[in-house]
Amino acid sequence: IVLTQSPGTLSLSPGERATLSCRASQSVSSNYLAWYQQKPGQAPRLLIYGASSRATGIPDRFSGSGSGTDFTLTISRLEPEDFAVYYCQQYGSSPPLTFGGGTKVEIK
Amino acid sequence: QVQLQESGPGLVRPSGTLSLTCAVSGGSISSSNWWSWVRQPPGKGLEWIGEIYHSGSTNYNPSLKSRVTISVDKSKNQFSLTLSSVTAADTAVYYCARDLGITGTTGSAFDFWGQGTMVTVSS
Repeated sequence: IVLTQSPGTLSLSPGERATLSCRASQSVSSNYLAWYQQKPGQAPRLLIYGASSRATGIPDRFSGSGSGTDFTLTISRLEPEDFAVYYCQQYGSSPPLTFGGGTKVEIK
Repeated sequence: QVQLQESGPGLVRPSGTLSLTCAVSGGSISSSNWWSWVRQPPGKGLEWIGEIYHSGSTNYNPSLKSRVTISVDKSKNQFSLTLSSVTAADTAVYYCARDLGITGTTGSAFDFWGQGTMVTVSS
């Protein structure tokens, strides 16, 4: 399954709402879709799994939604530490597990 | 708290074999989780390489399958990656990761990651 993330870059200010899209080339089985945050020089951090379940310790300003081929990660109010690159990943049709190309959220 | 630590050479010659090990601490590699390798070329996105279960079952990315072997050493609580016939395109940060253990037959999302190790393929 090929995952296409949009936009490539999102320029926003702290306090604004961020909406990131992940579109799959075919339906993701059981909505097995995850989202990660990655900062420079760090490993990715799991935010969301199963399309909408927050991982342990993830603030509730992060939320995931969607089903089938269209998924969304929403950050309700951007904090300074949220500026990073975000990746989606599907695990419904494996192998292979696949990742999207990423969306960079940068400070406007 | 589970911790993963990659180790191995930072430089590999073209046509050679890349070998990395991931040591697991704070948890058992015999738990109900899949253990994966993921790589990230400089400035690019993430690519899943393959995974192993403590039973020895493996799944590989078809794009790399002919060159990849993942193995597990339960006595040392670690698993390993070998990638043969490397080229400059294999230059990347290599991560090991643990899945959530929620899907059973294959891996799922990754909740614990190593810090990553940079491997450069160059003569």
